[in-house]
This record gives sequence, structure tokens and C-alpha cells, in this order.
Amino acid sequence: AQSVTQPDIHITVSEGASLELRCNYSYGATPYLFWYVQSPGQGLQLLLKYFSGDTLVQGIKGFEAEFKRSQSSFNLRKPSVHWSDAAEYFCAGLNAGNNRKLIWGLGTSLAVNP
Amino acid sequence: DGGITQSPKYLFRKEGQNVTLSCEQNLNHDAMYWYRQDPGQGLRLIYYSQIVNDFQKGDIAEGYSVSREKKESFPLTVTSAQKNPTAFYLCASRDRGPGNTIYFGEGSWLTVV
Repeated sequence: AQSVTQPDIHITVSEGASLELRCNYSYGATPYLFWYVQSPGQGLQLLLKYFSGDTLVQGIKGFEAEFKRSQSSFNLRKPSVHWSDAAEYFCAGLNAGNNRKLIWGLGTSLAVNP
Repeated sequence: DGGITQSPKYLFRKEGQNVTLSCEQNLNHDAMYWYRQDPGQGLRLIYYSQIVNDFQKGDIAEGYSVSREKKESFPLTVTSAQKNPTAFYLCASRDRGPGNTIYFGEGSWLTVV
């Protein structure tokens, strides 16, 4: 079955430190992969997406993610975290079937220490 | 500005009442979705619609109903049959461009009192 897994429920980093949020997927073929960010009580905002081509994807707010087929991963990275990055982060994959539903990870909550 | 508008932002409902959440988009997207979000459970798909006058049940459709009479609108009704309706509800739509990106509204909080 297709699935997206975010192994870390909660992560705390210090402001200015680097960040990596993990995402693993299980799909028969290469899926479309997405990272979204959600601030408390708000909708989800797209950070970046991968659907083909260069496996290193640049997104908004200084985020990037790398698609690694051999590891079935699509980890999100940021070189230096800002306090405003504290939020919930969701990884998702778009299945290849006709219904085109997103398969969601359960999210990783990021806290940033000053 | 193009986007997805959900209303109301906050809604209180008495037990036994139906309530309808509005979702309007001006992005000219064919596909629209309704998700429910509960703490620690991520996003769960309630209903989705690929095109006007057509919709399909998602993973947790029981106690909910939708309609898709216009391309721009995809209202969700939370019926009295929904046993635990208190949640955050998110509407979304999907474009046809590369990657088929899904865009979200700002969400609606429903509380049963």
C-alpha cells in the first residue's frame, strides 16, 4: 500500500541551527512529493514539491528537499532556522491512480529555542 | 487575488444540528477536497470532487455530505449523524499544472456545544 511516513513527531532546534525533517514514502512508481507548513489555526502552505528532474528542490522561506530514490526519502532541510519557522510540517505524496489523492504523513511539530 | 475562501472561520453547533461549511475558489481548478484535521492524526480526507456534479467519498465520509453544483463551490455539510464533529476542517483544490499541486483555504473550526 502507498504510504508516507514522518518518523519524528516533534523536533526542537535552536535558532540558527540547521534543520532536517525526515519523510519516507512507499510507492510503486516515483510519486509526486510535497512539503507543506502549517502555522497554528491556519491552512497549509506549500513549501516545495518534486515531480521530475533535478532531485534537489528549492522552495520558499529558504527550505530545500532532496529526493533519494534509493532511500525512498524526501527530507526537508534548512541551513539556519529562524524562530518564525516554528510550525507543523507535513510531507505528502500524490498517488498515481485516477483519483489523484494525496497521501499524508502525520506531521512533524517543530519548536525553535531562542 | 486568486485563492480559496472558507467560511465561517469559527462555528459552534448544538448537538443534533446540521451545519454547512462554505468553500469557494477562484483558481479555476476542477478538483476540490475536504479534509478533517484532529491533533496528532494529520489530515484525513472526507470527500473530493474531480469535476462539477461529481464527487466521491474519502476515508471518513460517514456523517458528512457535499455538493458540487458549480466549479467554484464545494460546500460541506456536517450532519447530526457525525458522532464527533468537533475539529478543524480544511478545503483544498488542485491545479492541472506540473506536479498537480494542492492549495488550501485557511480552515474552519467547528465546535459542538
